[in-house]
Amino acid sequence: QQQVKQSPQSLIVQKGGISIINCAYENTAFDYFPWYQQFPGKGPALLIAIRPDVSEKKEGRFTISFNKSAKQFSLHIMDSQPGDSATYFCAASGYKLSFGAGTTVTVRA
Amino acid sequence: DTAVSQTPKYLVTQMGNDKSIKCEQNLGHDTMYWYKQDSKKFLKIMFSYNNKELIINETVPNRFSPKSPDKAHLNLHINSLELGDSAVYFCASSQDFASQYEQYFGPGTRLTVT
Repeated sequence: QQQVKQSPQSLIVQKGGISIINCAYENTAFDYFPWYQQFPGKGPALLIAIRPDVSEKKEGRFTISFNKSAKQFSLHIMDSQPGDSATYFCAASGYKLSFGAGTTVTVRA
Repeated sequence: DTAVSQTPKYLVTQMGNDKSIKCEQNLGHDTMYWYKQDSKKFLKIMFSYNNKELIINETVPNRFSPKSPDKAHLNLHINSLELGDSAVYFCASSQDFASQYEQYFGPGTRLTVT
């Protein structure tokens, strides 16, 4: 039973466009919501994380929006670049780190 | 400097064999993990060790046995390999169990069972 639901499964965006990935969770005991980025043949790497008492966090072109009442959070990649092409995983931290199913982002030049 | 390293990177073996994957971290972290990533890229935790003590043991077949000789190492031994064990296995570490949202992953070991 997946504790974090992620969509879409994949998306294609033009260079300079905005990529949006959505996640939803049920367990209100989660205390941190990180996003990981994984390039082909590499391990996942932490991109950005947010606590549930914060509604938005921005780091460079990456922004997490968090809606505690709706139990949803999303990642926005602004001004998407070809180098952003990767698989992105949302996750929720409780007694373990539960990952979403991943979204493969392809940025077309 | 490699933070979390795994050996081997690729492992091809036949059904029924026993194999081990080694993991080492030089970050001084207290907590280490093993994950399995299947062909659909789904990441699932298998085990977690904190200061050499097993704290998470998900529903993993008994054929999988982790061993932590010290805080910097967490090895994974797999007995009687099956076709369904084919996957990429990732080792990861975090500063401590409370910081598990911030994990550092190794490069992965691609296991192929034929």
